[in-house]
Amino acid sequence: KNQVEQSPQSLIILEGKNCTLQCNYTVSPFSNLRWYKQDTGRGPVSLTIMTFSENTKSNGRYTATLDADTKQSSLHITASQLSDSASYICVVSERDSGGYQKVTFGTGTKLQVIP
Amino acid sequence: DVKVTQSSRYLVKRTGEKVFLECVQDMDHENMFWYRQDPGLGLRLIYFSYDVKMKEKGDIPEGYSVSREKKERFSLILESASTNQTSMYLCASSRQLNYGYTFGSGTRLTVV
Repeated sequence: KNQVEQSPQSLIILEGKNCTLQCNYTVSPFSNLRWYKQDTGRGPVSLTIMTFSENTKSNGRYTATLDADTKQSSLHITASQLSDSASYICVVSERDSGGYQKVTFGTGTKLQVIP
Repeated sequence: DVKVTQSSRYLVKRTGEKVFLECVQDMDHENMFWYRQDPGLGLRLIYFSYDVKMKEKGDIPEGYSVSREKKERFSLILESASTNQTSMYLCASSRQLNYGYTFGSGTRLTVV
């Protein structure tokens, strides 16, 4: 069964500090990996998407890395801000020969940035 | 700004009621999805649709049905609501099946 595991489950950091969130997956065959940010009570919003050939992708202060060999991804947040407080969800898509890509969601890392 | 709009942010229904959750997108996307999100379980796919009047079961379709009469609208129906259907429901759409999703803001449904 395809799985996506994220760590840590939750994290508290001081404003201005950096942090790194981890995502390990067993999805195969792999198609792409996305990181989403979900504010409390809102829907997820896409941050980055990476395919097999990409090993890093940035979106402002967010940088995602992908190691397709070890099936690991990380999301690094630089100079955190209070508005970064949210859940971060790793989503991995499986390539399907029929065209539909099965998508597996991680359970998320809840980040709280405190002043 | 592209949008996926869910008709209700919060909903409280009684056990046994028929419940309709509406979702509308303005991006002319072919694909639309309904997920439920529960603590510790992540998002789980209920149903998806890749064209008007087409629907496919996701991982947890039991107790739910869907309707897609128009391209922009995808409805989730709980035929007879039960307390274990208390959850956050998220609608999403995508241009292609391997493309990123745009999510709605979610509907938090409580069944009492």
